[in-house]
Amino acid sequence: DAGVIQSPRHEVTEMGQEVTLRCKPISGHNSLFWYRQTMMRGLELLIYFNNNVPIDDSGMPEDRFSAKMPNASFSTLKIQPSELRDSAVYFCASSLPRGNQPQHFGDGTRLSIL
Amino acid sequence: QQQVKQSPQSLIVQKGGISIINCAYENTAFDYFPWYQQFPGKGPALLIAIRPDVSEKKEGRFTISFNKSAKQFSLHIMDSQPGDSATYFCAASRWNQGGKLIFGQGTELSVKP
Repeated sequence: DAGVIQSPRHEVTEMGQEVTLRCKPISGHNSLFWYRQTMMRGLELLIYFNNNVPIDDSGMPEDRFSAKMPNASFSTLKIQPSELRDSAVYFCASSLPRGNQPQHFGDGTRLSIL
Repeated sequence: QQQVKQSPQSLIVQKGGISIINCAYENTAFDYFPWYQQFPGKGPALLIAIRPDVSEKKEGRFTISFNKSAKQFSLHIMDSQPGDSATYFCAASRWNQGGKLIFGQGTELSVKP
């Protein structure tokens, strides 16, 4: 069974550039979550979607971050413009709907802003 | 405000020993408490989870103990093995918030052979 697929696995870019991270959830999972992991702040939920609709984006740090889910099998997280402090590992996770279902994580995108 | 506090930050255990990781939560509305295991370069993976209507759940060598009155829960790994060396995260969520997980800070476990 294919799990959650994230791309790219690694991204290195210069400060000020636009960064787009991609996620393909597990087929049939109607909930999708974007997390950021850093040593200082641990695992933080940025935003989550139910049935392609953003439900809670209170974790999105600022307007430079945006996320979309145009269909049930694809989501993007965009940072524009990127800053040094955005360096982190970004995870996408998906689950069945209706709350408190196991979340299945991808292997993440390691983002380095130079 | 940290809603889920996890300790210790790191833990070293001898092979065959018992690993114990503790978490405390603040929000009494939480109704789901999972533990995730993360290996380097990988995403977290669900290990075991408990709901507040039971005090203990066991799956193989892994046991969650839950104390609702104290707002605490813990993970016990019996007969710890070097392959258990990983980072462990506790988490909490509310059913009516769509599974939004609040994670603890993580515990880096090292099991020495």
